[in-house]
Amino acid sequence: TQLLEQSPQFLSIQEGENLTVYCNSSSVFSSLQWYRQEPGEGPVLLVTVVTGGEVKKLKRLTFQFGDARKDSSLHITAAQPGDTGLYLCAWDQGGSEKLVFGKGTKLTVNP
Amino acid sequence: GAGVSQSPSNKVTEKGKDVELRCDPISGHTALYWYRQSLGQGLEFLIYFQGNSAPDKSGLPSDRFSAERTGGSVSTLTIQRTQQEDSAVYLCASSLVRDVLFFGPGTRLTVL
Repeated sequence: TQLLEQSPQFLSIQEGENLTVYCNSSSVFSSLQWYRQEPGEGPVLLVTVVTGGEVKKLKRLTFQFGDARKDSSLHITAAQPGDTGLYLCAWDQGGSEKLVFGKGTKLTVNP
Repeated sequence: GAGVSQSPSNKVTEKGKDVELRCDPISGHTALYWYRQSLGQGLEFLIYFQGNSAPDKSGLPSDRFSAERTGGSVSTLTIQRTQQEDSAVYLCASSLVRDVLFFGPGTRLTVL
C-alpha cells in the first residue's frame, strides 16, 4: 500500500496569513484528491488533480500537482477562521475503488 | 435525503457488547464505503460496496467486523464483542462517480 505523508501535522496561524501544506509519496500517483474535514463532520471533496504540473484554483485555495506526480501542495492565501479544519489528501490505488488517505494537516486560523 | 446520513451520531457501549451502525447513502448512489477515523489518525478504509456486493473487504480489521448492504441502499456495519480499541469515528460515504465521495457526519463509537 502506497503511503501518503502529509506535513505539517499541525499548523496554527493568524487570520490574513498565507500557508502551504504538503502531500508526498515515494511512488507515482495516478490522481490525487484534497478533502477538508470540519469538526463533527465528514470530509468534503475540494479538488481532484490528475495531470503532472497541474494547478487548480478554488477561490483563495491553490492546488498544485508535482511534475512527477509524486507530490502535491495546497496553498491558502489570506487565511480566514472559516478555513480551520483537517486537510486530507487521498489517492485512488487503481483496480479496487478504494481511496487511501493521509493523516492530514490540522489547520487552525485564529481571528 | 439531501446527503448521507448515519445513525446513531454517538454510541457508548460496554466492552464485549455488539453494536450496529447504520448508513443511508444518497439516493441513486451505487457505491458505498465505510471508513474508520481514530484520534489523530487519517481515514482507515474498511469496506466498499458496489450495489449489494462487497468487492473489497480488505480493510475489515478482524472477523468481529461485518457489513451488509440491502436493496442497493442502506448499509449496516456490525461490530461484535466490542473492544476498547474499536473506539473511533465510523464514517460512511457514497458515490455515483468514481473517486467523488460524499461523506456522512459519522458515528462516534466509545467502548468503555
